[in-house]
Amino acid sequence: EAGVTQSPRYAVLQEGQAVSFWCDPISGHDTLYWYQQPRDQGPQLLVYFRDEAVIDNSQLPSDRFSAVRPKGTNSTLKIQSAKQGDTATYLCASSFTDQDTQYFGPGTRLLVL
Amino acid sequence: GQQVQQSPSSLVLQEGENAELQCNFSSTATQLQWFYQSPGGSLVSLLSNPSGTKHTGRLTSTTVTKERRSSLHISSSQTTDSGTYLCAISSGGSNYKLTFGKGTLLTVTP
Repeated sequence: EAGVTQSPRYAVLQEGQAVSFWCDPISGHDTLYWYQQPRDQGPQLLVYFRDEAVIDNSQLPSDRFSAVRPKGTNSTLKIQSAKQGDTATYLCASSFTDQDTQYFGPGTRLLVL
Repeated sequence: GQQVQQSPSSLVLQEGENAELQCNFSSTATQLQWFYQSPGGSLVSLLSNPSGTKHTGRLTSTTVTKERRSSLHISSSQTTDSGTYLCAISSGGSNYKLTFGKGTLLTVTP
């Protein structure tokens, strides 16, 4: 069974540029999560979906970040106008339901100059 | 909101020694997981242990729910155990999101 896949693996931007991250969860998992992990910190949840519905996006900076999961499968996280403070690893995870073990992808490491 | 404190922040052992990692949390946890993060980023779930004691291989986790603490014991450490160990909890209700601690960086030397 394939695991969670993410792309790209690395991204380097200038401040003000936009970037999109893509996640393909494990087949059959209805719950998908996006986390931000700054260097030397634990992952912090940005948003999570059950199927195509957003369940919690309270930590998503809504003025610049957006996330969609239109068919309840793949998901895209977009940063509209990146800032240096967005430098972090962005992790995607999925689970059968939100009470089950989460399986993480390899992450996308973002550097904003 | 939820807070998760892990200690120590880093730990250096010689191969063969045992490690004891601690996790304290600020409110009742209905879900508690220990994760391993390899150098370079990928997270892997090690154990789910919201209460009591669980074993898998050389790992033992003990969670005392009333005292809001959990420990992860690694016996006979190996160099391949090096990495960051993260504790994460969820308080359940209608929202099962995980809150992570900052992790313990374990280095096992030959």
